[in-house]
Amino acid sequence: ETGVTQTPRHLVMGMTNKKSLKCEQHLGHNAMYWYKQSAKKPLELMFVYSLEERVENNSVPSRFSPECPNSSHLFLHLHTLQPEDSALYLCASSQTSGLYNEQFFGPGTRLTVL
Amino acid sequence: DAKTTQPTSMDCAEGRAANLPCNHSTISGNEYVYWYRQIHSQGPQYIIHGLKNNETNEMASLIITEDRKSSTLILPHATLRDTAVYYCIVRVSLIQGAQKLVFGQGTRLTINP
Repeated sequence: ETGVTQTPRHLVMGMTNKKSLKCEQHLGHNAMYWYKQSAKKPLELMFVYSLEERVENNSVPSRFSPECPNSSHLFLHLHTLQPEDSALYLCASSQTSGLYNEQFFGPGTRLTVL
Repeated sequence: DAKTTQPTSMDCAEGRAANLPCNHSTISGNEYVYWYRQIHSQGPQYIIHGLKNNETNEMASLIITEDRKSSTLILPHATLRDTAVYYCIVRVSLIQGAQKLVFGQGTRLTINP
């Protein structure tokens, strides 16, 4: 595997379900990010982890719960979501030092909440 | 956070240079300008970034004005595969070396045969 991978690629869940999105980066980076992209809206930054510590939480509802067990893995735990949470969820990673610390994005998980 | 302004959409003929403008008049002295693109429903792809000087890589060139209030992304020989939404972003540094990218609506670039 190379780059940033996300699983599952598609997820359909009911409002009472609990599910998790997984992101894995194979680039040796030490910062990871969750973004949300709703239809016809810009990408919104949700959470940022650097060196496995959360450094940004952009007023995201508590029904979204991130977890970063190590620098290569990032999870987004979902529970009691609403239909308006249906969106493309994107994970990214980056270095935290040096000149070339651009973010590399995964392919995303397309989430539908019924 | 510095904001950027881009045209909503642009068209360009295949094989011609595509020039995408961006205004970032509130940019601070140590903030970088980044460009990404997103092909339909895929993750954004990094293109190029710069601080003050013009930059060039295998994908594109970035021209930044001397006052740093605007920049232009140039795709020198556009192909149909360059059709995408292009985002101009001013990167904000967070603690511990992480960074914040604030995406706007971007420019939808269509390359026509």
